[in-house]
Amino acid sequence: QVQLQESGPGLVQPSQTLSLTCTVSGGSVSSGYYYWSWIRQHPDKGLEWIGYIYNSGSTYYNPSLKSRVTISVDTSEKQLSLKLRSVTAADTAVYYCARGTLQREPTYFDNWGQGTLVTVSS
Amino acid sequence: QSVLTQPPSVSGAPGQRVTISCTGSSSNIGAGYYVHWYQQLPGTAPKLLIYANNNRPSGVPDRFSGSKSGTSASLAITGLQAEDEADYYCQSYDSSLSGVVFGGGTKLTVL
Repeated sequence: QVQLQESGPGLVQPSQTLSLTCTVSGGSVSSGYYYWSWIRQHPDKGLEWIGYIYNSGSTYYNPSLKSRVTISVDTSEKQLSLKLRSVTAADTAVYYCARGTLQREPTYFDNWGQGTLVTVSS
Repeated sequence: QSVLTQPPSVSGAPGQRVTISCTGSSSNIGAGYYVHWYQQLPGTAPKLLIYANNNRPSGVPDRFSGSKSGTSASLAITGLQAEDEADYYCQSYDSSLSGVVFGGGTKLTVL
């Protein structure tokens, strides 16, 4: 059973870079059948897709965040990473990593991390 | 504003049937892309409830079912139970965004 665990600072200062890591256990991050995504949830709000990576390198980002986001994967360490630059208070959210099944297009997320709260504040 | 539109809230008494709608457009649901549904209990990560329009993962009760027609989809819950009280999200793929899209979520209250 695949398990995902997010880690990183819970507090980030405005204008700095938010950096999170998702460690994957019980499965491979290089399988062509899956894609790996970051999703966030603002306090008491809905889910917002940030971006995803597959085939260990192809990336797609939410157009609203594209200029500030980088997602990468380290297959040897079995880790997914997220970098969000120039953060503001509007980036305060719970950040989830999730594994999705790749078919003709990216489909459902069948495994989620527990989520990590990141607060942007000075 | 979410690409997929869900009602903010629905409610029902124990034992009743409720439905949650998810309305999209010609670049997502209407383009033939699958719709998936998630249940999120308070303080927890979302859990896959329905995938590919109407399929249940192992362990999900058959009280939960999904359907899709045109640019919309629906989640139906029959025999409502107190433990079903949660937030529900639909999800699909959008070709104009080349990305995943979610509904805004629906809070189910069991009266």
